Amino acid sequence: QSVLTQPPSASGTPGQRVTISCSGSNSNIGGNYVYWYQQLPGTAPKIVIYRSNQRPSGVPDRFSGSKSDTSASLAISGVRSEDEADYFCAVWDDSLSGPVFGGGTKLTVL
Amino acid sequence: QVQLQQSGPGLVKPSQTLSLTCAISGDSVSSNSAVWNWIRQTPSRGLEWLGRTYYRSNWYNDYAVSVKSRITIKPDASKNQFSLQLNSVTPEDTAVYYCAKSPQGSGSWYDYWGQGTLVTVSS
Repeated sequence: QSVLTQPPSASGTPGQRVTISCSGSNSNIGGNYVYWYQQLPGTAPKIVIYRSNQRPSGVPDRFSGSKSDTSASLAISGVRSEDEADYFCAVWDDSLSGPVFGGGTKLTVL
Repeated sequence: QVQLQQSGPGLVKPSQTLSLTCAISGDSVSSNSAVWNWIRQTPSRGLEWLGRTYYRSNWYNDYAVSVKSRITIKPDASKNQFSLQLNSVTPEDTAVYYCAKSPQGSGSWYDYWGQGTLVTVSS
């Protein structure tokens, strides 16, 4: 049971907007930045959003992040087939004194 | 460009010690602005942070509560690498292990990752 709750799956057709949620608590999302990772099959995770809503260089601008209270979201506007992957949220947890991860959401592009 | 290259055995017997090394290029394990982490991943438990080491005039380590009694992460400045040792392993420790770098002050921001090592605990 992960500290952060994500839906196990999400889907969309090419060009649609897809959102993935991440629910936590005051000890993690409520007081800290959220990070989002994309993991393609057989590869290491790759950062796509840092500090809740910042996009690293090289990440397409169709990826965006937001945070409100104890929840966060990753949005992909105009989803493409190459976005099909697992997505994880991560955040520091003050109670655990360490980072925690969501269980991951498998995005399928239909 | 930072690169992390992992090495170590893929098979460990129960009760023995799991040992992995992460060699760093493009940065320094002694950097005052980086943190060096070990993270593992299983299908059932997902991603799990194990611990980290970093240099801020002195060396520091932090470990996850779940493995604190069994884990050691050591930097090796002479070889520019850091290592993971996990003692008394059980089949529950079977996982893909990753080393990863964090920018300073970012506890869950990992900007560079190793390639991952599947470690199976089995007799």
